[in-house]
Amino acid sequence: DTGVSQNPRHKITKRGQNVTFRCDPISEHNRLYWYRQTLGQGPEFLTYFQNEAQLEKSRLLSDRFSAERPKGSFSTLEIQRTEQGDSAMYLCASSPVWDSEATNEKLFFGSGTQLSVL
Amino acid sequence: GEDVEQSLFLSVREGDSSVINCTYTDSSSTYLYWYKQEPGAGLQLLTYIFSNMDMKQDQRLTVLLNKKDKHLSLRIADTQTGDSAIYFCAEKEGGFKTIFGAGTRLFVKA
Repeated sequence: DTGVSQNPRHKITKRGQNVTFRCDPISEHNRLYWYRQTLGQGPEFLTYFQNEAQLEKSRLLSDRFSAERPKGSFSTLEIQRTEQGDSAMYLCASSPVWDSEATNEKLFFGSGTQLSVL
Repeated sequence: GEDVEQSLFLSVREGDSSVINCTYTDSSSTYLYWYKQEPGAGLQLLTYIFSNMDMKQDQRLTVLLNKKDKHLSLRIADTQTGDSAIYFCAEKEGGFKTIFGAGTRLFVKA
């Protein structure tokens, strides 16, 4: 197992274009998270999957953002009609927590996809 | 609301101890974490502490928790140039969301 994998590493796009990022979590990790990180800030929560179910979305996630995890394994994050303010590092993390009541959760992060919107 | 605050920069000499401080607001936090991020990489979990503990030691790392003051610190003994990175404090209450601070950039001078 090579850890959480994200593709592409970098994406440069023009404003108004659609982009899609992929995350392959550590196998058998049932929880998957998307975070966004801008320069000089910590990661901000975007959305969370428990297996294939998307259980929570942040208010940061506008209608232009959609995430899927169709078979409970890999996940995609799509941004439609990109804006310059979408430029950021998009981080994916997975976690092996199975117990919904568990409070200790160790997140395993991928290296992220750096999005630049021109 | 939930908020985690950290000082932005710390500079130390190689071989000295580094102390990175963090304050949090959510008194219901059950676990507190320290993550490390190197340039161009994702975050890596360094250590964590349960809220009913005051201290946790793990090799060169010592975590101190003052729950009354909602203050968390990470001490790195014998700091090396390879420790240069951004260190994030994070808190988690029940449920699923982990809240991160803005990160402290540690510079280690040889």
